[in-house]
Amino acid sequence: SQQGEEDPQALSIQEGENATMNCSYKTSINNLQWYRQNSGRGLVHLILIRSNEREKHSGRLRVTLDTSKKSSSLLITASRAADTASYFCATDARGAQKLVFGQGTRLTINP
Amino acid sequence: NAGVMQNPRHLVRRRGQEARLRCSPMKGHSHVYWYRQLPEEGLKFMVYLQKENIIDESGMPKERFSAEFPKEGPSILRIQQVVRGDSAAYFCASRGQGASTGELFFGEGSRLTVL
Repeated sequence: SQQGEEDPQALSIQEGENATMNCSYKTSINNLQWYRQNSGRGLVHLILIRSNEREKHSGRLRVTLDTSKKSSSLLITASRAADTASYFCATDARGAQKLVFGQGTRLTINP
Repeated sequence: NAGVMQNPRHLVRRRGQEARLRCSPMKGHSHVYWYRQLPEEGLKFMVYLQKENIIDESGMPKERFSAEFPKEGPSILRIQQVVRGDSAAYFCASRGQGASTGELFFGEGSRLTVL
């Protein structure tokens, strides 16, 4: 079964607005990662946050992790049309040696 | 430094035929993962291999599917006697050494269509 569950499943916003996507998971993790997938392409790694970290930034991306609630959020600030893509969270569960992906959030940025 | 290379990018097979998907990991990477993606869905783990060893095949159907990562050459995902339900995108990813699973580098995928 899927480890990560993302919401919303789809999000449509205007260019320049901020986009927030959430991810919940079930088991203890080593780290949680976010990936982006453009239509018809492979996944690209965005950011990794370890289980002992609470927040991480990379450019216009901000990721938070709450291990007590088993949840994470990805914030994209000042969105651009080029941010249109699907975004997936993936968890590295302890002892699993693999990433388990959620169903993804389809983000559409309207110009 | 080439990324993860998958081929073919597109493959059409009739029911009952065999499909062979190839993946060359990034240079220096010895860990390979195969995932399957149906349209509008997330990636489902299939198998995790290191050179010459299958580490975790818990996501792979017991019948018709097999995977290998030989000492020399690419990793191969083989699907025998394909059925329409096998139609999907199959992604390969690789990573370098490390105890926990860090960043995975993905190929562009192989899209299998079964007629």
